[in-house]
Amino acid sequence: GAVVSQHPSRVICKSGTSVKIECRSLDFQATTMFWYRQFPKQSLMLMATSNEGSKATYEQGVEKDKFLINHASLTLSTLTVTSAHPEDSSFYICSARGGSSGGAETQYFGPGTRLLVL
Amino acid sequence: GQNIDQPTEMTATEGAIVQINCTYQTSGFNGLFWYQQHAGEAPTFLSYNVLDGLEEKGRFSSFLSRSKGYSYLLLKELQMKDSASYLCAVMDSNYQLIWGAGTKLIIKP
Repeated sequence: GAVVSQHPSRVICKSGTSVKIECRSLDFQATTMFWYRQFPKQSLMLMATSNEGSKATYEQGVEKDKFLINHASLTLSTLTVTSAHPEDSSFYICSARGGSSGGAETQYFGPGTRLLVL
Repeated sequence: GQNIDQPTEMTATEGAIVQINCTYQTSGFNGLFWYQQHAGEAPTFLSYNVLDGLEEKGRFSSFLSRSKGYSYLLLKELQMKDSASYLCAVMDSNYQLIWGAGTKLIIKP
């Protein structure tokens, strides 16, 4: 199997606060996890690639001090949106590479977290 | 630069067959993926092709021609629940996924 969970599924917060999103691979070990953001009616945008035990690799234009990523174990990665602002409101989706089907390079997605910053 | 092209939107009739094409130009190739994404949900994995030819999986099949930089996703016996966006993604030589913008498929009764 290749199940990825994400928590919370939905969060509303005030501007200036921080929000932590958890991504877990439930039935496989994921050495690499990915964090995406998707605005309405737009395609997925990769934010960062996270490898277990090392610093995340951020895509151009993504602020690493604002979007903190921790990949502490082979089954857990967290994304913390620090000092969130209304423009950070989006659909955040994690994926994990691995699993028993589709090849070792296949990414399996969590259900996503919808963030609304007021 | 790297580029993935797929139609923006397609319409088909329930029970029919539809083919969604994807062409790509990437620096290297380590496989092509198709994902399905329903509105408001995360993508779900459909297929992975790394060798030329057709991979069949139930009502869905995916074809790859590496020499032409071309793939298609074939959906048979269309059902209303197949209404979704279909994303084509290519893994380049750095094992990075390059995503297409997705094809929105509308199924009519």
